[in-house]
Amino acid sequence: NAGVTQTPKFRVLKTGQSMTLLCAQDMNHEYMYWYRQDPGMGLRLIHYSVGEGTTAKGEVPDGYNVSRLKKQNFLLGLESAAPSQTSVYFCASRGYGNTIYFGEGSWLTVV
Amino acid sequence: AQSVTQLGSHVSVSEGALVLLRCNYSSSVPPYLFWYVQYPNQGLQLLLKYTSAATLVKGINGFEAEFKKSETSFHLTKPSAHMSDAAEYFCAVSGLGTGTASKLTFGTGTRLQVTL
Repeated sequence: NAGVTQTPKFRVLKTGQSMTLLCAQDMNHEYMYWYRQDPGMGLRLIHYSVGEGTTAKGEVPDGYNVSRLKKQNFLLGLESAAPSQTSVYFCASRGYGNTIYFGEGSWLTVV
Repeated sequence: AQSVTQLGSHVSVSEGALVLLRCNYSSSVPPYLFWYVQYPNQGLQLLLKYTSAATLVKGINGFEAEFKKSETSFHLTKPSAHMSDAAEYFCAVSGLGTGTASKLTFGTGTRLQVTL
């Protein structure tokens, strides 16, 4: 079972560059989430989606955009990367019993 | 609104000693509560979850947690620590509903160190 797959796993960006993180899940889950993890701050919700074609803002949405064109995919975009966006990004989907399944993470460095 | 507070960003125990990681929650609706573990440079793995059934929840790797509504707590325990338990542990809460209530809100994490 693939579960939740994130690509790429590692990326280095220059300030001002754009990129997209892809999250794919094969569990037919409706709800999907993007979190960022920073030392001492736990995981903070960036955006989430309650189904295909829907997106909503989380705690820290500024500087990010998302799209959920297909149920299995949830894309996180950085239009103009900033050093403050250096972080580890986790995608997740919600399954039965409200259990959240996480991807392996994407390490992003903005220089 | 919901939130989680983890008391102690670092906890150190000796191998074989009791592990106690504290978590207090705040939720305006009946909560689902979770403990996740994260090993270095890896994703999050579910240890256990409370979903309004038994208040004492048993998880993987010998961990368990007790839901205490009167104390709004969900502390994680393990009777005897093993070196392999060294990791970061996150408590999380979500609501029972849909939409914003479905969001999983995390604590800031507790790093567990196990010494010989």
